Amino acid sequence: AQSVTQLDSHVSVSEGTPVLLRCNYSSSYSPSLFWYVQHPNKGLQLLLKYTSAATLVKGINGFEAEFKKSETSFHLTKPSAHMSDAAEYFCVVSDRALTFGSGTRLQVQP
Amino acid sequence: EPEVTQTPSHQVTQMGQEVILRCVPISNHLYFYWYRQILGQKVEFLVSFYNNEISEKSEIFDDQFSVERPDGSNFTLKIRSTKLEDSAMYFCASSHLSGAGGPGDTQYFGPGTRLTVL
Repeated sequence: AQSVTQLDSHVSVSEGTPVLLRCNYSSSYSPSLFWYVQHPNKGLQLLLKYTSAATLVKGINGFEAEFKKSETSFHLTKPSAHMSDAAEYFCVVSDRALTFGSGTRLQVQP
Repeated sequence: EPEVTQTPSHQVTQMGQEVILRCVPISNHLYFYWYRQILGQKVEFLVSFYNNEISEKSEIFDDQFSVERPDGSNFTLKIRSTKLEDSAMYFCASSHLSGAGGPGDTQYFGPGTRLTVL
């Protein structure tokens, strides 16, 4: 069975500072991993995905994530936070269906 | 850019009533999914659908639920007799390639329908 653990339920950063959202996964297979973002009252938007190609994955809006098999991690980072990045972020592992983490709410302070 | 659409955005119903949630997947996609998110909880997989058949379902997807692709564009989720605990945001998603969620698949999500059961 696959599972995802997002280590922080809330993260607060100042605008212009780096963002780190942590995710650890468990999967019997070589997984596909995703980060989705959900803005208030909006649907789930794909930020980036890992599918066993390059371990450093670049996504939209300046986000990237690094797949580390030895640590079973897929942390999401961004060098400089924007006010518009404030949202809920979900780490997702895919086997036969998507398994979502519990989400991390990112707050960006001016 | 093509997107998944869902109607209605909000649905309020009385306990015991039937509801149908509607989705229009991306037009060249072959695999369709429903997920739900109870307030404050994780997004949970309900069902996947391919070639007019359910390909996988979770234990949440019991006999009260059914899915259908009544025509070439719509994909619906029906809840026959709603319960209070069915109150949630329901997301539809679609993907072009394998419904097994294999490498390279990406599921695109609609904006969701918020279902409130009173």
